[in-house]
Amino acid sequence: EVQLVESGGGLVQPGGSLRLSCAASEFTFSRYWMSWVRQAPGKGLEWVANIKQDGSEKYYVDSVKGRFTISRDNAKNSLYMQMNSLRAEDTAVYYCARMFDYVWDYWGQGTLVTVSS
Amino acid sequence: DIQMTQSPFSLSASVGDRVAITCQASQDVDTRLNWYQLKPGKAPKLLIYDATKLETGVPSKFRGTGSGTHFTLIINSLQPEDIATYFCQQYDNLPPYTFGQGTKVEVK
Repeated sequence: EVQLVESGGGLVQPGGSLRLSCAASEFTFSRYWMSWVRQAPGKGLEWVANIKQDGSEKYYVDSVKGRFTISRDNAKNSLYMQMNSLRAEDTAVYYCARMFDYVWDYWGQGTLVTVSS
Repeated sequence: DIQMTQSPFSLSASVGDRVAITCQASQDVDTRLNWYQLKPGKAPKLLIYDATKLETGVPSKFRGTGSGTHFTLIINSLQPEDIATYFCQQYDNLPPYTFGQGTKVEVK
């Protein structure tokens, strides 16, 4: 069974940084686009970033451009999100998701990021 | 960016009822529309892709209809395990991929 396990969330002060990780297993990680999607408290889902199979293409929602960087290590079957200059509005559960033909077919259970002083 | 308007915001129905959730796109997305189920503390689950196609392993009580700008998720014979929030999501060739606001489904 495909597994995606996020880690790295926590409490951080505004302006701080955090690095999220997602460990993938039971599928050929290098064959898939991967994404981060978040859900702020009491809000809906929001796509955050995508990365191509070889890391050569990356896309971001406007609100995180210049602050967040998505990356991957196919040798380690891992996806990452480096989050800098964090703001209160970045507080959310962050999900790692596998993308196949523009469909997120598998998701992790999420990791909570709280930006607060 | 394509905006997705989902309704209702929440609904409460009885066990065995048929419920419908609608999603309207701000522009034509053809059938580029997916539906997801989200339960607290669990991984989101894909239910329907390409507007009408049932994901493998998803019960046939879930059905998606529509194309263009208007879409519907139908849940037949509502059960307590269907308590969740449901989201539609459009995908164009390039991001951003946008979601509806979500519909919280409760059982009376």
